[in-house]
Amino acid sequence: EAGVAQSPRYKIIEKRQSVAFWCNPISGHATLYWYQQILGQGPKLLIQFQNNGVVDDSQLPKDRFSAERLKGVDSTLKIQPAKLEDSAVYLCASSSGLAGVSRYEQYFGPGTRLTVT
Amino acid sequence: GEDVEQSLFLSVREGDSSVINCTYTDSSSTYLYWYKQEPGAGLQLLTYIFSNMDMKQDQRLTVLLNKKDKHLSLRIADTQTGDSAIYFCAESSTKLTFGTGTQLKVEL
Repeated sequence: EAGVAQSPRYKIIEKRQSVAFWCNPISGHATLYWYQQILGQGPKLLIQFQNNGVVDDSQLPKDRFSAERLKGVDSTLKIQPAKLEDSAVYLCASSSGLAGVSRYEQYFGPGTRLTVT
Repeated sequence: GEDVEQSLFLSVREGDSSVINCTYTDSSSTYLYWYKQEPGAGLQLLTYIFSNMDMKQDQRLTVLLNKKDKHLSLRIADTQTGDSAIYFCAESSTKLTFGTGTQLKVEL
């Protein structure tokens, strides 16, 4: 079974530029998550989708971050414009269970390391 | 809101046992998890425990849960160099909240 795929693996941009990350979850997984992991911290949930609907985006800075999962499979996360404090690893995870049901294991991709200069 | 705390660093000798501790605040947590993160990689689920259990053993891993004190621990028996990584505990009610991570260093 293929794991969660993410691209690019690394990205360096200047502040005020835009950037987009892509995630392909495990086939058949209904729930998809984007996390932000700042160096030295644990991952923080940004947004959670079930199929193509948003379940929780309460911690997404909506003035600059956006995410979509149009066909309920792949997802993109965009930052526009980027700030220095957005430097972090952006992790995508997927789960076969329903959003909000905590028993189901989340499978994580390798992440995209973003550096904003 | 939810808060999960861990010590930042632990160093052990190969073959010894490692104990990584975690405290959490959300009493409605239904499951508690331990994840492992190796350099440049995503998180890998090691084990989990349901909140009405107080212990779970899985090969070299033992999880202890003290629900009254909201304290979770992970014991790794016969620690190997391949166990060197960052370990995150996480609690969940409707979503995962991760701790800050404990970096485990295994010395020869």
